[in-house]
Amino acid sequence: DQQVKQNSPSLSVQEGRISILNCDYTNSMFDYFLWYKKYPAEGPTFLISISSIKDKNEDGRFTVFLNKSAKHLSLHIVPSQPGDSAVYFCAAPHPGGRRALTFGSGTRLQVQP
Amino acid sequence: NAGVTQTPKFQVLKTGQSMTLQCAQDMNHNSMYWYRQDPGMGLRLIYYSASEGTTDKGEVPNGYNVSRLNKREFSLRLESAAPSQTSVYFCASRGTGVTNEKLFFGSGTQLSVL
Repeated sequence: DQQVKQNSPSLSVQEGRISILNCDYTNSMFDYFLWYKKYPAEGPTFLISISSIKDKNEDGRFTVFLNKSAKHLSLHIVPSQPGDSAVYFCAAPHPGGRRALTFGSGTRLQVQP
Repeated sequence: NAGVTQTPKFQVLKTGQSMTLQCAQDMNHNSMYWYRQDPGMGLRLIYYSASEGTTDKGEVPNGYNVSRLNKREFSLRLESAAPSQTSVYFCASRGTGVTNEKLFFGSGTQLSVL
């Protein structure tokens, strides 16, 4: 059973506007979360992370918000740029203590010029 | 600065054929991983290696074997390929230490099994 879920397969926004990508999780013991970005024919690349002891982490145009009571995190991109068009995965520690990550199914973001 | 290098980038196999996907990292990382990505399913962990000489099964290990040849290299072998193994395969590595939570990925191998 997927422990990290991204329920929106795709999102389209206009350049300059805000993009909000959402992720829900089931395991309240997760102590950190990450967002990865993936372009076609490339591997995923790390974007931003957040510890469970925080509710917000910001890095330039990217901000991740964590709502532990709702078991929900979101990635905000402001302002969105055409180069942000990619698939975004949220991730959390993999169950079983392997120091791996478990991933959501991804959201394809398209930023229209 | 190569990071994680995977070969080949593309491969087409017939059902029943075997092949090995190669992965090497130059970041002196202890942990290495193999994932597969399928549409609508994100990335799923196939196998994991915490250090040279150790390997462990992930979520979807059936039909695969791995070898951690040394600290740099972690290979994935399909002994008898099946159409269900058509996927994009990613190798990843991770540094040590509690603050090193992120994985570094290679560019992937797109495998088609006919």
